[in-house]
Amino acid sequence: KNQVEQSPQSLIILEGKNCTLQCNYTVSPFSNLRWYKQDTGRGPVSLTIMTFSENTKSNGRYTATLDADTKQSSLHITASQLSDSASYICVVSRVGNAGNMLTFGGGTRLMVKP
Amino acid sequence: GAVVSQHPSRVICKSGTSVKIECRSLDFQATTMFWYRQFPKKSLMLMATSNEGSKATYEQGVEKDKFLINHASLTLSTLTVTSAHPEDSSFYICSALQYRYNEQFFGPGTRLTVL
Repeated sequence: KNQVEQSPQSLIILEGKNCTLQCNYTVSPFSNLRWYKQDTGRGPVSLTIMTFSENTKSNGRYTATLDADTKQSSLHITASQLSDSASYICVVSRVGNAGNMLTFGGGTRLMVKP
Repeated sequence: GAVVSQHPSRVICKSGTSVKIECRSLDFQATTMFWYRQFPKKSLMLMATSNEGSKATYEQGVEKDKFLINHASLTLSTLTVTSAHPEDSSFYICSALQYRYNEQFFGPGTRLTVL
């Protein structure tokens, strides 16, 4: 069964601190993995996308890693800001062109406090 | 990047009425769009796949007669919630598939509240 599990479910950190979010998946055949940021009441916005051969990808203060062997990914946020408060969703795409090939994780709700 | 819009962003309606939500791909053509529903503190749940010029494909458990989908052009898909009830209150998000990059771009969502 194709599944994406994220941890922790929620996280509170102080402004300026770093944090790491985890994503484990059992999606097959694997195409790519994306991390999205979803602000409350808004649609998801893509942060990073990684294919099978990529180990790490950065986007500003966001750095994603992928271990395709263990089927794990992480999203590291450096020097957090109040605006980082949001849900972060890990989405894994299967190979194929028919229909919706995405499997969504449950998300991690991050709150950054001053 | 590709832009997807939704209209309206918020809608409040009375029980028994119908509500139409529009999803538009603004700078690319999308033969395939998707409709999701999201409950508070939960992730997105796929409701249906909308294909331009053909009938939508609904996920198991989604009532096709309640959630009518029309994809009449390459840039517009609509979701109509018919005879809305309070339990239909939710956050509805659409996405459009850009085939060139095989990537879905999400709209900003529509908050539906049924009184």
